[in-house]
Amino acid sequence: KAGVTQTPRYLIKTRGQQVTLSCSPISGHRSVSWYQQTPGQGLQFLFEYFSETQRNKGNFPGRFSGRQFSNSRSEMNVSTLELGDSALYLCASMSVGGTEAFFGQGTRLTVV
Amino acid sequence: AQKVTQAQTEISVVEKEDVTLDCVYETRDTTYYLFWYKQPPSGELVFLIRRNSFDEQNEISGRYSWNFQKSTSSFNFTITASQVVDSAVYFCALSEAKTGGSYIPTFGRGTSLIVHP
Repeated sequence: KAGVTQTPRYLIKTRGQQVTLSCSPISGHRSVSWYQQTPGQGLQFLFEYFSETQRNKGNFPGRFSGRQFSNSRSEMNVSTLELGDSALYLCASMSVGGTEAFFGQGTRLTVV
Repeated sequence: AQKVTQAQTEISVVEKEDVTLDCVYETRDTTYYLFWYKQPPSGELVFLIRRNSFDEQNEISGRYSWNFQKSTSSFNFTITASQVVDSAVYFCALSEAKTGGSYIPTFGRGTSLIVHP
């Protein structure tokens, strides 16, 4: 069974631009969550999608948004990038009724 | 609100030593789950173990063992006879039921384990 796949692995963007990250969950998993990991703040929850609906949300500004498609694949978008958005963005999937999250390798975003 | 504290920022050991990673949590729920994840330099968080709040039985799996004590809100993780490949950042996490019945883990700040040959 393939694991969680995130693309791209690395991105360099300029301040003010926008970026879209992609996540394909484990086959059969319908919940997809996104996390931001930085040295200063650690792992912080962004949002969770289930059946194409945002089900839970963390404390991030509206510049961070996401969506989920009917095949459970998810995208995360960050608009008007700031230097502080430089981070490792991790995606996790969970089975229906499951309690453990399975993570992808992440997308490392650098904003210059 | 749920909270996870990993007081040890970094631990350095020599191969074959035993090492224990500490985790203390806070929650008001009676039903919750505790986890340990490992993050090697590649970045992926690897799921290691899950325990639910009703199961305090400690367990050993190969070189890994866990000590869950509700009385002290601790969920410690021990690696026996450490190996260089164990070098990674280890995260303790806590999940409570959220909207829709989903369990979203809250992570501690992580403990960086360095195993020297």
